[in-house]
Amino acid sequence: SQKIEQNSEALNIQEGKTATLTCNYTNYSPAYLQWYRQDPGRGPVFLLLIRENEKEKRKERLKVTFDTTLKQSLFHITASQPADSATYLCALDPLGGGNTPLVFGKGTRLSVIA
Amino acid sequence: KAGVTQTPRYLIKTRGQQVTLSCSPISGHRSVSWYQQTPGQGLQFLFEYFSETQRNKGNFPGRFSGRQFSNSRSEMNVSTLELGDSALYLCASSKDRPGETQYFGPGTRLLVL
Repeated sequence: SQKIEQNSEALNIQEGKTATLTCNYTNYSPAYLQWYRQDPGRGPVFLLLIRENEKEKRKERLKVTFDTTLKQSLFHITASQPADSATYLCALDPLGGGNTPLVFGKGTRLSVIA
Repeated sequence: KAGVTQTPRYLIKTRGQQVTLSCSPISGHRSVSWYQQTPGQGLQFLFEYFSETQRNKGNFPGRFSGRQFSNSRSEMNVSTLELGDSALYLCASSKDRPGETQYFGPGTRLLVL
């Protein structure tokens, strides 16, 4: 069956450390994968998109990798801050053409402790 | 550009009632998708509209319906509400396709008593 899984439901990390979140998928062939941030009671906000031919993408303190062999994406936040505390969702386009709705993981709730 | 707006933000209804939620997408975005979010199931796709036509549909009962107007604004309706319909309902828009980057509204929190 098709699955998209974010391994950790919750992750606690000390301020200043690097947070690493994992997204695994099975029986999908996405052309790209997206990461979103969601704060409590609000809608998700798009952060980064990485394509299948890109190994790594960076934006400020954020870094995303995409390994189509392992069927895995890693999301890193370096020098984490309490303001980074939120739920992070990964999402993929199931058929890879952009014409099918995104499938979302259930998210990882990140808490950065001062 | 103004973001996606949703009204109302909060609703309390009782079982058996019906509810209509409204969404205004980002100007120029023609694809509007609706999602239901619950703690147990995460974000579940309801349906997607493009040019006033339902183009994609998720695995929800017929009590859930929607429509899109010529100005791309969209509404979703839930009839005969059940306790399990309590959730955050999110509307998202994108330029043309549901698999593109989605821009979400703040959501409507529905509580069914």
